[in-house]
Amino acid sequence: DIQMTQSPSSLSASVGDRVTITCRASQSITTYLNWYQQKPGKAPKLLIYTASSLQSGVPSRFSGSGSGTDFTLTISSLQPEDFATYYCQQSYSTPYFGGGTKVEIK
Amino acid sequence: QVQLQQSGPGLLKPSQTLSLTCAIYGDNVSTNSAAWSWIRQSPSRGLEWLGRTYYRSKWYNDYAVSVKSRIIINPDTSKNQFSLQLNSVTPEDTAVYYCARESWTIGTFFDYWGQGTLVTVSS
Repeated sequence: DIQMTQSPSSLSASVGDRVTITCRASQSITTYLNWYQQKPGKAPKLLIYTASSLQSGVPSRFSGSGSGTDFTLTISSLQPEDFATYYCQQSYSTPYFGGGTKVEIK
Repeated sequence: QVQLQQSGPGLLKPSQTLSLTCAIYGDNVSTNSAAWSWIRQSPSRGLEWLGRTYYRSKWYNDYAVSVKSRIIINPDTSKNQFSLQLNSVTPEDTAVYYCARESWTIGTFFDYWGQGTLVTVSS
């Protein structure tokens, strides 16, 4: 299995802050990397696919970048509805999710 | 708009069989452009993909190594749904179980999810 490591596991930020979350693969996955947002009691929601493509309906403040083994999810200006847990997932081989990054209010 | 509706019991005893169903609305289980997966989530194991079924001229299944000896995922074309069967459950199988569509178009990703079913395994 290709494993995914996210960092940090949690962070505190304020509304309007720029937030960056990192995901590292145990081997190259080219750009087969997706990002999800999950709120308590809800299923994950797709934000970004193939590393940098924005899913339809997702605000443009979300962006993704990277290739190979290192990827980032950036929220350009954090909004109140963005406080949630974020997961990366590789789709290069058997699907595998990262451990998650919880974004909390500072 | 695709919707996935899960059903099935939420409380099991050790050694019993977990059975869940996912009804598909707005798409077809036999589509050539997606696969149909089961994913579970627990505090100890995080988000864990369990397996999928998909049709590409014939039916295929892929299963996670961690559950391969105990899992069956079946499509039901007459009801446009798919099911999960997990045998010989233990308390470690306690989790929220999700069904999801894995779109296979530009890349592969889980774009639609069911509402989740909390399954508790306890004696």
